[in-house]
Amino acid sequence: RKEVEQDPGPFNVPEGATVAFNCTYSNSASQSFFWYRQDCRKEPKLLMSVYSSGNEDGRFTAQLNRASQYISLLIRDSKLSDSATYLCVVKRWRVTFGTGTKLQVIP
Amino acid sequence: DTEVTQTPKHLVMGMTNKKSLKCEQHMGHRAMYWYKQKAKKPPELMFVYSYEKLSINESVPSRFSPECPNSSLLNLHLHALQPEDSALYLCASSQDEQVQETQYFGPGTRLLVL
Repeated sequence: RKEVEQDPGPFNVPEGATVAFNCTYSNSASQSFFWYRQDCRKEPKLLMSVYSSGNEDGRFTAQLNRASQYISLLIRDSKLSDSATYLCVVKRWRVTFGTGTKLQVIP
Repeated sequence: DTEVTQTPKHLVMGMTNKKSLKCEQHMGHRAMYWYKQKAKKPPELMFVYSYEKLSINESVPSRFSPECPNSSLLNLHLHALQPEDSALYLCASSQDEQVQETQYFGPGTRLLVL
């Protein structure tokens, strides 16, 4: 089993839709969790950290489920500009990236 | 300012060349990282420097040689690379190596080895 797993997608959704991604991790000792987005041929950029209590930033909501060892990202009211690859990052004493989920928002 | 800069943006080199990639940050971060990213794959950690000392080497071949001249600069020296080393090389930095610290990435150097 991979250390951090994501559905590669692509998720093709219409503008305005709500879409959710999950990311599972195998190491129960993992301590920090992040979502990054990466546009084609660009560097990863931090979208949000994921806290135990869950957190929201505008249209984006991140959740952590330690019991089931997954984190999730919910995007409401999808915009064309949300099209990107979303990478989850799990950190214990080193960073491990998931393989990424590709999102394509369609007009 | 959360900017990490990298030069050059693009690099083409032959297998006998020696070249260097440069990374700079002025955020006062004390941890800096080199990653390698192949197309459609996630970034893979290569090296970590913490307080200017190499703390992690992920079994990277010796043809890649990192250097941290000071707390703001990180270099990656390249020598006798192979075509399969062609990739996007990303530098990142964080406040320190503490587990909760966010990493900020530079724009990367796109390397092609012929």
